[in-house]
Amino acid sequence: DTEVTQTPKHLVMGMTNKKSLKCEQHMGHRAMYWYKQKAKKPPELMFVYSYEKLSINESVPSRFSPECPNSSLLNLHLHALQPEDSALYLCASTREDRTTGYTFGSGTRLTVV
Amino acid sequence: ELKVEQNPLFLSMQEGKNYTIYCNYSTTSDRLYWYRQDPGKSLESLFVLLSNGAVKQEGRLMASLDTKARLSTLHITAAVHDLSATYFCAVDGNTPLVFGKGTRLSVIA
Repeated sequence: DTEVTQTPKHLVMGMTNKKSLKCEQHMGHRAMYWYKQKAKKPPELMFVYSYEKLSINESVPSRFSPECPNSSLLNLHLHALQPEDSALYLCASTREDRTTGYTFGSGTRLTVV
Repeated sequence: ELKVEQNPLFLSMQEGKNYTIYCNYSTTSDRLYWYRQDPGKSLESLFVLLSNGAVKQEGRLMASLDTKARLSTLHITAAVHDLSATYFCAVDGNTPLVFGKGTRLSVIA
């Protein structure tokens, strides 16, 4: 299995809703990442988990809450989002030495209404 | 802070022509990656460059890395319409995978 699987592919949520994005990989990668990409912009790093521990939080608002329940699974919990949080959310994973690069999932297209 | 600059940001090429996209970065790194992104899609890995002088080729695309000059190039040979997409370079530093702004490539007949 050489894929990173993200669900759902599309999500529309209201500003008072709570939802979660899910990311799964079975490549034995021990580092997992959340990126946010706005239209016509490059991806921007949000969070990094290394060996299931949060190692980088790029000053992301608390309405985004990451969770890494095990080495294969990464969640992003969403609560009280704003319309400007609408974006493509990408999950990625790597080997610890990053010599084979980063594998990205297909993304979740999030729309906040 | 690592900064990654790509140029050009927009590129309109005729089919059959050659062109080069440049990627400069600001701090020492020996890990650079090239990705392709089609509209509405995720990132597709093209090349992983891990050392000075690394050169990789796949089809009409060839990428190289000069870590001393902090420069990578993506060379397109005899462009075809299917290569139309946005191309990102990204560099590993203290912050994992910092992206350039991307080059939006359009190949026209």
